[in-house]
Amino acid sequence: SYELTQPLSVSVALGQTARITCGGNNIGSKNVHWYQQKPGQAPVLVIYRDSNRPSGIPERFSGSNSGNTATLTISRAQAGDEADYYCQVWDSSTARVVFGGGTKLTVL
Amino acid sequence: QVQLQQWGAGLLKPSETLSLTCAVYGGSFSGYYWSWIRQPPGKGLEWIGEINHSGSTNYNPSLKSRVTISVDTSKNQFSLKLSSVTAADTAVYYCARGHRYYDSSGYSEYFQHWGQGTLVTVSS
Repeated sequence: SYELTQPLSVSVALGQTARITCGGNNIGSKNVHWYQQKPGQAPVLVIYRDSNRPSGIPERFSGSNSGNTATLTISRAQAGDEADYYCQVWDSSTARVVFGGGTKLTVL
Repeated sequence: QVQLQQWGAGLLKPSETLSLTCAVYGGSFSGYYWSWIRQPPGKGLEWIGEINHSGSTNYNPSLKSRVTISVDTSKNQFSLKLSSVTAADTAVYYCARGHRYYDSSGYSEYFQHWGQGTLVTVSS
C-alpha cells in the first residue's frame, strides 16, 4: 500500500520560511493536498492539487511536488501558523485516501 | 455555504457498534464523495471510507471488515457504522466532503469541508 512520510516536527523562526516535506514513491506523479490542523479543531485545507490555494488561505502558503517529495512552504511564518500539517493523496491502485503522519510546526 | 453537522453516541463499550450520522447543508449532495476520517488522541488522520450519492463505496482495507457507510439522499445525510469496537477505536471522528476529480495525474480527491468532529470513547 502507498505510504507518505513526513518529519515529526519542523521549527522556524518568526518571519522566516518553513518547509514541510512529504515523501512518497514517485509522489510527483500524484496530486498532493495539504491540511493545517490546530488543537481541538478540524483540519483546514491549505493547498490542493500540489500548489493551489483555496479562497481565504494567505499567499504565504505555497506547494510544490516533484520526484519523490512534495513540499509545503510557509513564507514569513507567523505565530498563528503553529499547527500540525498533513499531506494527503489518493492512491489509485487501492482506491483509497492516504494521509501522511503529520508534522508539528513550531514558530520560535 | 456548505456545512456538515455530525452526531452520534460518544461513549461505547467494547464489542458494541459505533454509529454516527452527518448531515450536509448547502451545496450539492450529488457529485461529491462523502468520507469518514478519524483521529486517535494525539495521533494522525486515518481515512475510514467514503460513499457517493448513488451508494458506491470505498473503504480503508484495514477497517473494511467492520465498516458500513450508507447514504440517505432524501435527507442529504450519510452514516457510519463500525462494529465490534475496541479501545483502539477511540478517536475523534470527522465527516468530510470529498472533491473527486480526474486530470493528467489520474484520479485524486481532497477535502475542503469538514464536520465539527465527534469524540468517541470506547471503554468498559
